[in-house]
Amino acid sequence: GDSVTQMEGPVTLSEEAFLTINCTYTATGYPSLFWYVQYPGEGLQLLLKATKADDKGSNKGFEATYRKETTSFHLEKGSVQVSDSAVYFCALSDPYGDTGGFKTIFGAGTRLFVKA
Amino acid sequence: DAGVIQSPRHEVTEMGQEVTLRCKPISGHDYLFWYRQTMMRGLELLIYFNNNVPIDDSGMPEDRFSAKMPNASFSTLKIQPSEPRDSAVYFCASSSDSYEQYFGPGTRLTVT
Repeated sequence: GDSVTQMEGPVTLSEEAFLTINCTYTATGYPSLFWYVQYPGEGLQLLLKATKADDKGSNKGFEATYRKETTSFHLEKGSVQVSDSAVYFCALSDPYGDTGGFKTIFGAGTRLFVKA
Repeated sequence: DAGVIQSPRHEVTEMGQEVTLRCKPISGHDYLFWYRQTMMRGLELLIYFNNNVPIDDSGMPEDRFSAKMPNASFSTLKIQPSEPRDSAVYFCASSSDSYEQYFGPGTRLTVT
């Protein structure tokens, strides 16, 4: 079945450091890939997405590239800020059946702490 | 747009009581999802609807849980009877056809 695996946290960085959060997936079809972010006490928010191989999603300085050959979608940011402290979820959505249904699978989440 | 609206934001109840969580999706979104989030199990999909019809309820833990969507602007998740292990944050999310999901702020449920 479909699955998403992301690196365990927490990840602790100093402000302006480079961030990488690894994410790999398995899927039977041709999924779309997403990164969501969850700030304390809030629901998840879509951060970026990619719908096909070699697409690069980007938003707020974060970016991730859909790598079909390595089944990966790693999240990167060149210079993190304290305000980036949150939990980051990698996810995939894969269509199935003839009814237009689809399955969304979330990774376990990676908590990021950024120190001033 | 106000986004996905959930109520109540916090619920504390005693074991054995009925709990009803409510959700109003974003207008025009055809899909509605109910999730449960705990430290131990992470984010779990409980059920989702398309055009008010339940499509996949395989994540509903047991018969104590039920969900309805009587119209396009309202859904409920009911737990009867509630147990301490049901304590979690419950999220509602909605989506159009593009797979991107918009989450509500969640309901923090504590069952004592």
